[in-house]
Amino acid sequence: NAGVTQTPKFRILKIGQSMTLQCTQDMNHNYMYWYRQDPGMGLKLIYYSVGAGITDKGEVPNGYNVSRSTTEDFPLRLELAAPSQTSVYFCASSSATANYGYTFGSGTRLTVV
Amino acid sequence: KNEVEQSPQNLTAQEGEFITINCSYSVGISALHWLQQHPGGGIVSLFMLSSGKKKHGRLIATINIQEKHSSLHITASHPRDSAVYICALLSGNQFYFGTGTSLTVIP
Repeated sequence: NAGVTQTPKFRILKIGQSMTLQCTQDMNHNYMYWYRQDPGMGLKLIYYSVGAGITDKGEVPNGYNVSRSTTEDFPLRLELAAPSQTSVYFCASSSATANYGYTFGSGTRLTVV
Repeated sequence: KNEVEQSPQNLTAQEGEFITINCSYSVGISALHWLQQHPGGGIVSLFMLSSGKKKHGRLIATINIQEKHSSLHITASHPRDSAVYICALLSGNQFYFGTGTSLTVIP
């Protein structure tokens, strides 16, 4: 099993550009999450999904969009990149309500210049 | 107001020392996780706790629900334990993360 796969690992965007961070998991987990981690700060939840077709906002959703058309995939979309979105982004998945532990992707380091 | 407080923020230990990292929280929880973030950035889930104590190798995690406190212990610490350890809570549908404890184990 590959676990949680995130792509790309690194990306530099110009202000106003758009991009999609890809996340896929092969563990048949219902729950998927997108987090961002700023330097010296804790993880903050951007969006999460409890199953295909269902998404909900986390703590810091502004400037992002998500979709969950399949159980496996949970892409994160940045429409108009801003310097404040420079961060490391982590995708994670879990079964049920995270009571059985998370599996994290390896992260995407995004810089907006 | 932080729902999750970790201490210490930074910790340096000699190889072989017993290490304790603490997590205090102020909300009701259904589960508490301890995560390990390696220097390369990857995050690994170490434990999920809802009560009592769990042990995995040299790692022990405890939780006291009444006192809203959890501890992560590392016995016989080793330089490969050097990482950031993060306490994470699930409270209802909300997720809260501590800012982490940066551990350096010196040979």
